Amino acid sequence: AAGVIQSPRHLIKEKRETATLKCYPIPRHDTVYWYQQGPGQDPQFLISFYEKMQSDKGSIPDRFSAQQFSDYHSELNMSSLELGDSALYFCASSLKGITEAFFGQGTRLTVV
Amino acid sequence: KQEVTQIPAALSVPEGENLVLNCSFTDSAIYNLQWFRQDPGKGLTSLLLIQSSQREQTSGRLNASLDKSSGRSTLYIAASQPGDSATYLCAVSSDSWGKLQFGAGTQVVVTP
Repeated sequence: AAGVIQSPRHLIKEKRETATLKCYPIPRHDTVYWYQQGPGQDPQFLISFYEKMQSDKGSIPDRFSAQQFSDYHSELNMSSLELGDSALYFCASSLKGITEAFFGQGTRLTVV
Repeated sequence: KQEVTQIPAALSVPEGENLVLNCSFTDSAIYNLQWFRQDPGKGLTSLLLIQSSQREQTSGRLNASLDKSSGRSTLYIAASQPGDSATYLCAVSSDSWGKLQFGAGTQVVVTP
């Protein structure tokens, strides 16, 4: 069965650079979520989209933005990167109402 | 504000023993609860989803119970194997939009 696909799997950026993370949800899933997991921490919710509209927002810095496109893939854009942005970034997808979330393998972002 | 706690933080058992992992949450008005497994540096694998109206869910050697009124869920893993070594996280969603609030996880080591 198709799973959530994230790209790239690893990313190294310098401080103040910009990064773009991509997520391809499970086909027919209408909701996409982004989470950030710092070293030794549990995942923290950033933002979600339902049918291409933002549905909820968590502790996402103003330097970050995200959107969901007509083909339901989503991108997380991160600007003015800081060392503290180094983390695993997960995308998850689900069907609204059922809400069993399926996670991708994550993108490991390292800011140097 | 919902808080999710997992006890113990770490657990080591010999192969063959049953595992009991606990999860508690402060706000009983949950929509559902999900258990995940995470291997080091990897993504989250969904193990079981329990809707708020359900008392338990089972999948193979896994059984999860939910007592919403007391704010508790327990994950039982029967006849543990070294391959069960991982971090187990529980997460709750408060509505059908599906945003997840995670516990810090229980790190399990099953020794041969």
